Amino acid sequence: EAQVTQNPRYLITVTGKKLTVTCSQNMNHEYMSWYRQDPGLGLRQIYYSMNVEVTDKGDVPEGYKVSRKEKRNFPLILESPSPNQTSLYFCASSPSGREKLFFGSGTQLSVL
Amino acid sequence: QKEVEQDPGPLSVPEGAIVSLNCTYSNSAFQYFMWYRQYSRKGPELLMYTYSSGNKEDGRFTAQVDKSSKYISLFIRDSQPSDSATYLCAMSAMNTGFQKLVFGTGTRLLVSP
Repeated sequence: EAQVTQNPRYLITVTGKKLTVTCSQNMNHEYMSWYRQDPGLGLRQIYYSMNVEVTDKGDVPEGYKVSRKEKRNFPLILESPSPNQTSLYFCASSPSGREKLFFGSGTQLSVL
Repeated sequence: QKEVEQDPGPLSVPEGAIVSLNCTYSNSAFQYFMWYRQYSRKGPELLMYTYSSGNKEDGRFTAQVDKSSKYISLFIRDSQPSDSATYLCAMSAMNTGFQKLVFGTGTRLLVSP
């Protein structure tokens, strides 16, 4: 089944403890992206990647890192999480960035 | 002012009603207009996609774009309880396609049996 898989689905952590949210797609898509979704603010893009080793900032990149070493994986790294990064995170992919996005099921992150 | 404005709702309607969902935007460079549906605890899924102005119909769903007014709409005919979800509008400029979408905050729709 074609899908975008995020792990974990739920994560509670404390301020400053590094964490990684994984994202994997099995559709051989070149384009991948991370979004965060907050009440009243909607979905905002954090980072995106056009292909392996090619990443670029979205609208809210501060406090986040990404890497794209393999086509299928696009992990989101929070090196020193803070409470304002408590949010619902979505990974998405598309064949080239000019077609529809396929979204994962989301990761609910709480930073205490 | 946000680039894309969307009433958060909730919008409650009885089964069978015609639903109208709307977004306004300020960036005249937007050329791609999309509607996503998001069920609770799920990721958004693309419902309708329109390029530039005009209408597009798909079953019970009709998307309209009025670029002169910077206003887009999604109409749902014969609404069903299974249509209960949050509907997000999204748009982007010609040179970015789906790479850099700007989303509305979403309208929560509740269709009661």
